[in-house]
This record gives sequence, C-alpha cells and structure tokens, in this order.
Amino acid sequence: DAGVIQSPRHEVTEMGQEVTLRCKPISGHDYLFWYRQTMMRGLELLIYFNNNVPIDDSGMPEDRFSAKMPNASFSTLKIQPSEPRDSAVYFCASSFGLGPSYEQYFGPGTRLTVT
Amino acid sequence: AQTVTQSQPEMSVQEAETVTLSCTYDTSESDYYLFWYKQPPSRQMILVIRQEAYKQQNATENRFSVNFQKAAKSFSLKISDSQLGDAAMYFCAYRGPYSGGGADGLTFGKGTHLIIQP
Repeated sequence: DAGVIQSPRHEVTEMGQEVTLRCKPISGHDYLFWYRQTMMRGLELLIYFNNNVPIDDSGMPEDRFSAKMPNASFSTLKIQPSEPRDSAVYFCASSFGLGPSYEQYFGPGTRLTVT
Repeated sequence: AQTVTQSQPEMSVQEAETVTLSCTYDTSESDYYLFWYKQPPSRQMILVIRQEAYKQQNATENRFSVNFQKAAKSFSLKISDSQLGDAAMYFCAYRGPYSGGGADGLTFGKGTHLIIQP
C-alpha cells in the first residue's frame, strides 16, 4: 500500500486566497483525521471523519476552515480566505477502527505558507 | 480536557548510550491508550510504541521501551543503544476510550528534540 497520500507537499499563497489541501487515506480505513502542526501550539486535531461522516469538528479554528469527505478515498481541507497565521504543516491520518490495535497512519504533511 | 506534557524540549545523548524521554498526562478516564511518535526531519510521523492503560506490563519494541506508571500518570520512553538514526522529535500522545461521538483523535505533547552525539 502506498500509505496516506497528501497533496500538495508545499503550498505558498497570498493572504486572502483560497487554499485546498487534499488527502487520500489508506484503502479500507474508515477513520480519517486532519491535524495541524505549528511551533506555538504543536500538533492539534482539527476534525475527523468516520465512514465519510464528520464526527468531531471542535478543533476547527474558525469558519474560514472547512473539510469534506465525499467518498472513502478522498478528503479535502479548505481555508477561505487564508491568513498568515494559518501557516503550518497540515497532516492527514487514517486508521481502521478505534480498537485496541488502533494505529493512526500519517501522511507526509502539507507545509502551507501564507504571505 | 486531556493534556499531555513533555517537560524536556531538548535532550542530548552519546551514541550507544541510553536516554529516557519524559511524558505526563492528565485524564479522568481509567481506560485509554498512550503512544510515542517519532518525527525525523522528513516530518513523517512514525509510531514508535503504544501502551494500553489496562495492561500492567510495559510495552517493548526492540531498543524502545516504556515505563508506564498509571497512578502517577507518567509514560516515559527509554531508548537503549542510541543510534544516529534515532535523532528526531519525539511526541507523546494520548487517546481516550472509544466514545463514538467525538474526542477520538490524538492529543499530543509539545515534543522533545532528541540529539544523538556521535
């Protein structure tokens, strides 16, 4: 398996522009998580899905952020409009269930820079 | 809310020596899971070791082992025979019992930067 795939790996955009980050989870996994990593706040859970349905979006910082999962093999995280403080590394992770052998597999991350 | 604290921003160890990274957490749950993740400069998050709270035996994975003290809410990682490839950021993470309605993601500590001196 190719693992969790994220695109793009790097994104540089200007303040006010729309940014879309993409994620393809590992085939067969039914949970998908979006995390954000910054120096100040570390790694934070933004939102997660189970069977394509959003379960908990309490970590989404504000209405400028939205996430969708139209099918089991694709998810997007959109920021509109983007701001410099959104600069961070965004990780997508997937897992099969939440049982005792639970493990989240992380993608390589997208480094977002908003100027 | 659960919190995870890593009090050592940076640790340095000589190659082949043993190093211990500290982690404490706060939770009111009795059943939960703890993890150590490694993040090398490539920024890929790699699971190093996991511990189920209901298991009294400390988890071990080759050169990596944990000291899980449930009463003290402490979960330290010991790396034996340190190798240059162990140099990375190490994150301690917590996940509570399955709730079905949220809070099922990982809560991370701020990380410890491990330096291996040749």
